[in-house]
Amino acid sequence: AQSVTQPDIHITVSEGASLELRCNYSYGATPYLFWYVQSPGQGLQLLLKYFSGDTLVQGIKGFEAEFKRSQSSFNLRKPSVHWSDAAEYFCAVGARSQGNLIFGKGTKLSVKP
Amino acid sequence: DTAVSQTPKYLVTQMGNDKSIKCEQNLGHDTMYWYKQDSKKFLKIMFSYNNKELIINETVPNRFSPKSPDKAHLNLHINSLELGDSAVYFCASSQTDSYYGYTFGSGTRLTVV
Repeated sequence: AQSVTQPDIHITVSEGASLELRCNYSYGATPYLFWYVQSPGQGLQLLLKYFSGDTLVQGIKGFEAEFKRSQSSFNLRKPSVHWSDAAEYFCAVGARSQGNLIFGKGTKLSVKP
Repeated sequence: DTAVSQTPKYLVTQMGNDKSIKCEQNLGHDTMYWYKQDSKKFLKIMFSYNNKELIINETVPNRFSPKSPDKAHLNLHINSLELGDSAVYFCASSQTDSYYGYTFGSGTRLTVV
């Protein structure tokens, strides 16, 4: 069965520090992979997506993610975190043969001044 | 222009009542979804419609009934509300192929008292 695992429930980083949020997936077919961000009281906003090609993808707000097929991972990174990045981050997987996305349980990011 | 709009944003109601949540998208997408986000932020697919046809119907109590009058609208009606129905309900839309990712509404926070 398809699944998405985000091992870290809550991460705290200092403003200006680098960030890496982990995502592992289990999927039989070639996956589409997504990262979404949810600010408090808001809906989910797409940060970036991967479906083929270059395994390092750039997204909005200075985020990037790297697809590693051998590790079944799609980790999200940002070189320097801003206080406004504090939010909940969701990794999701989909495929051409499947209409709906399967979401991980999310990682809450807190940013220290 | 809001791409995916849900109404109401907040809904407080008593157990046993019947309520509806409405969703509209102006993106020209042909697939719409309802997701439930519980208190732990876990997102679970409930229903999916493609061009007014129900294509995903997860294990959801039959007190929940979606209706799609046209491909731009997907409403959710809930009968006999229970305390456990309290959650945030998100509407989303996409093209048929999930490669494009979803566009989410801002959510409806339902509180059953």
